[in-house]
This record gives sequence, structure tokens and C-alpha cells, in this order.
Amino acid sequence: NAGVTQTPKFRVLKTGQSMTLLCAQDMNHEYMYWYRQDPGMGLRLIHYSVGEGTTAKGEVPDGYNVSRLKKQNFLLGLESAAPSQTSVYFCASRVSGANVLTFGAGSRLTVL
Amino acid sequence: AQTVTQSQPEMSVQEAETVTLSCTYDTSESDYYLFWYKQPPSRQMILVIRQEAYKQQNATENRFSVNFQKAAKSFSLKISDSQLGDAAMYFCAYRTTNYQLIWGAGTKLIIKP
Repeated sequence: NAGVTQTPKFRVLKTGQSMTLLCAQDMNHEYMYWYRQDPGMGLRLIHYSVGEGTTAKGEVPDGYNVSRLKKQNFLLGLESAAPSQTSVYFCASRVSGANVLTFGAGSRLTVL
Repeated sequence: AQTVTQSQPEMSVQEAETVTLSCTYDTSESDYYLFWYKQPPSRQMILVIRQEAYKQQNATENRFSVNFQKAAKSFSLKISDSQLGDAAMYFCAYRTTNYQLIWGAGTKLIIKP
């Protein structure tokens, strides 16, 4: 059982380039989340989804877009990458009513 | 708004000894959950232990236990018989009533052999 899978694991971008991070879960979870983790800070919520076709903004949504066209996939897009978006990105999911999140292994993004 | 504070950026402990990591939080909610997550060098976030606010009994999971002081808004993690594999970043997190997680900045735990 794969759980939550994030691709790619590492990526280097130049300022202004675009990219998409893919999160896939095989647990039939309704809720999915994208967080970023920066040194000396806790995880901060970027966007989340409560079900297929729905998305909502989190604490730090600016500069990011998301889509949830299929229940198992949650995509995080950067339209025009900036150095401030250099971070480690985590995807997580949970089943409705559950308290515990299942996390992916993280994706390290560097924007030069 | 809820906040979570971990005041110890780094802690070290001798192998086989006991260490306590501190976490305080601020909230006006009465029903919530608190968590400790472990993040080893592999980056994987692993749930260590959780506590439901309405339960007075402190949660325990093998060598891991918490000291939950609701009135003081304190939620510390005690690791007994520390092992080399316990070396990691430890994050305290608070779950709001709408299921959002608020995270502390983390504590780096070093285990000395």
C-alpha cells in the first residue's frame, strides 16, 4: 500500500518558471492538504480540499493554485516561481471524521 | 487565533535517559486535539502520540507519554529510555474545531550515545 505519494521529490526552478507538484493517495481519503515547511517554522497550510472538485485557501495561498479533479489526486501549481517559494512541500490526507493525517515524504523545491 | 509555541529549538539527551519536550498553546476553544509528530532525517512526518482535550488522562504510547495541563495550556512530551532512533525533529500540533492543524516551530532532539 503506497499511502501518500508526492512527485517529484526534488526540483530546481529558475525564477518565473512554472511547475506542478502531484500528490496521489490510494486510501480513498476525502480530505487532502498542501503544506510548506521552512526552517525554524512549523508547517503552514497552503490550500486544502474537502472532496473531489473542491478546494479552499489555507494560511499562505498566494502564488499557488490547486486542483482536485480526481479524488485520489491533489495538484499544487506554481505559475511563476519566486525565490520565496523555496521550501519543502508536504501533502497530507485524511478520511472524513478522522484526526490523524497521513503525510507524503515531501518535495524539496529550490527556486533560483 | 490559535497559536502553538515550542520554546526549545534543540534538546539533547544521553541514550537510555529521559527527556521532556515542551509545548504551549493558546486557544479559546474547549474541544480540540493535540498531537506530537516526529520528523526524522528522512523527512517523513510520523505521528507519535495524540491527546483529546476532554480526556483528563494523559496519553501514553510505549516509551512516549504526555503531560497535558489544560488549564495551563501546556502539552509536553516525555520520552523514556531514549534510543538513537528517537533523534529527529519533534513538532507539536493543535487541531482546531474545523480540523485545521496549527504547528509549532519544532524541537530538534539529539541523542548522545
